[in-house]
Amino acid sequence: GAVVSQHPSWVICKSGTSVKIECRSLDFQATTMFWYRQFPKQSLMLMATSNEGSKATYEQGVEKDKFLINHASLTLSTLTVTSAHPEDSSFYICSATGRSSKMNNEQFFGPGTRLTVL
Amino acid sequence: RKEVEQDPGPFNVPEGATVAFNCTYSNSASQSFFWYRQDCRKEPKLLMSVYSSGNEDGRFTAQLNRASQYISLLIRDSKLSDSATYLCVVTADTGTASKLTFGTGTRLQVTL
Repeated sequence: GAVVSQHPSWVICKSGTSVKIECRSLDFQATTMFWYRQFPKQSLMLMATSNEGSKATYEQGVEKDKFLINHASLTLSTLTVTSAHPEDSSFYICSATGRSSKMNNEQFFGPGTRLTVL
Repeated sequence: RKEVEQDPGPFNVPEGATVAFNCTYSNSASQSFFWYRQDCRKEPKLLMSVYSSGNEDGRFTAQLNRASQYISLLIRDSKLSDSATYLCVVTADTGTASKLTFGTGTRLQVTL
């Protein structure tokens, strides 16, 4: 149980295009989803926290107009990187936590999406 | 100062060796502590939670010292499959969902 999927697993795009990444909780209702970014040899950095049906809360230094997050249902959150540039190339990982007491507030991670912007 | 600091390594050890990783955190209000394992180009996976009383899971032992704000992970009888990056993670519970703060990780390479 507690499986989180991400799609696509990798994407290569031209500079200036927008890229949408999906994060799905497959077997539980995700009340909160988190989006992280990891550059090579660096730690995972939290970008934003999203609760179903409400606006995402962005971490300091993360542009909300550039990284659009939508959490329209209890099983799906999307991250759209708008007008992507080479410096946005990174490993984007989502995680989800559910409301079940059995889940104990643990975050379950998706497999990540590797974005390369040419 | 980083919120969670770890020695990046790499630690190169022979199979069967015992290896210890350390981690320090700066936020004294941190509530929960974990070790995660991350393989190359993969997502992090929870290895174990860390408690002041210590936590042992097979060959892995984790310890928390709140006074020193210090967390440790001990791996006994290292296996080749233990090669990975080990991430020290702390949370400061905020409402119903805890924000995880990750260290940069310590890379372990176990060799024959």
